[in-house]
Amino acid sequence: GQNIDQPTEMTATEGAIVQINCTYQTSGFNGLFWYQQHAGEAPTFLSYNVLDGLEEKGRFSSFLSRSKGYSYLLLKELQMKDSASYLCAVRGPGGGSYIPTFGRGTSLIVHP
Amino acid sequence: EAQVTQNPRYLITVTGKKLTVTCSQNMNHEYMSWYRQDPGLGLRQIYYSMNVEVTDKGDVPEGYKVSRKEKRNFPLILESPSPNQTSLYFCASRRTSGGPYYEQYFGPGTRLTVT
Repeated sequence: GQNIDQPTEMTATEGAIVQINCTYQTSGFNGLFWYQQHAGEAPTFLSYNVLDGLEEKGRFSSFLSRSKGYSYLLLKELQMKDSASYLCAVRGPGGGSYIPTFGRGTSLIVHP
Repeated sequence: EAQVTQNPRYLITVTGKKLTVTCSQNMNHEYMSWYRQDPGLGLRQIYYSMNVEVTDKGDVPEGYKVSRKEKRNFPLILESPSPNQTSLYFCASRRTSGGPYYEQYFGPGTRLTVT
C-alpha cells in the first residue's frame, strides 16, 4: 500500500519562499506528482519527479529523494494567488494503469 | 480548447434515486478516471478506464458503476445513492502514449449531496 504525509496547513508572507514537504512509504514507486488546487476548483498539474534531484519550473521547484521517501515543493516570490491546497501524489507500480495515491493536501495561506 | 467537462456541476438528490454524472474530454485521451474528494481524506480514485470497453476498480468503487462506450465519454453511475456518497467528484483524463503521459487533466468537479 501507499502512505503519504504532508502538513495540513502552512502560512507564509507575500514575497517570501515556502517549502512544502511530503514523505511517503510505498510498496512500489514510479514517480511523484505535485498538484495545486484552489478552493472549489479542480487540481492542476504542477510537477512530476521520477528521478532524484531538483526540477525547476519558474517560481516553483520540486525535489525528490527516493532513498529517503521524501519530496518537497518550493514556492518562491509568493503571491496572494498562491493561496491554495497543494497535493502530493505518488504513482505506484502498474505501468500505464497506475493508480496515483494522493496525500490529504497542504493548505497554504499567503498573507500580505 | 482542450478540456474535461462534467455535468451537472451541482446536484442535490435523495437516497435511492439513480443518477448519472457525465464526463467528456476532447483531447483524445485513452485513460479516464473518477475521483471523490472528501475533507481530511484527499482524492481517492473510484474507477478508471484504460480505453473503450476497458474499465477497472480504483480504491473506493463500492456503490458506483461506470461505462466506456466511446473514447471521449466516461459517465459515473450511482444506482442507489446513499448519504455517504455526498462528496465532490472529479473526472480526469490523460494520454497513455505519444508524449508525456503522466499529467492528468481534471474536470471542474461535481458537488453531490444525497439526503
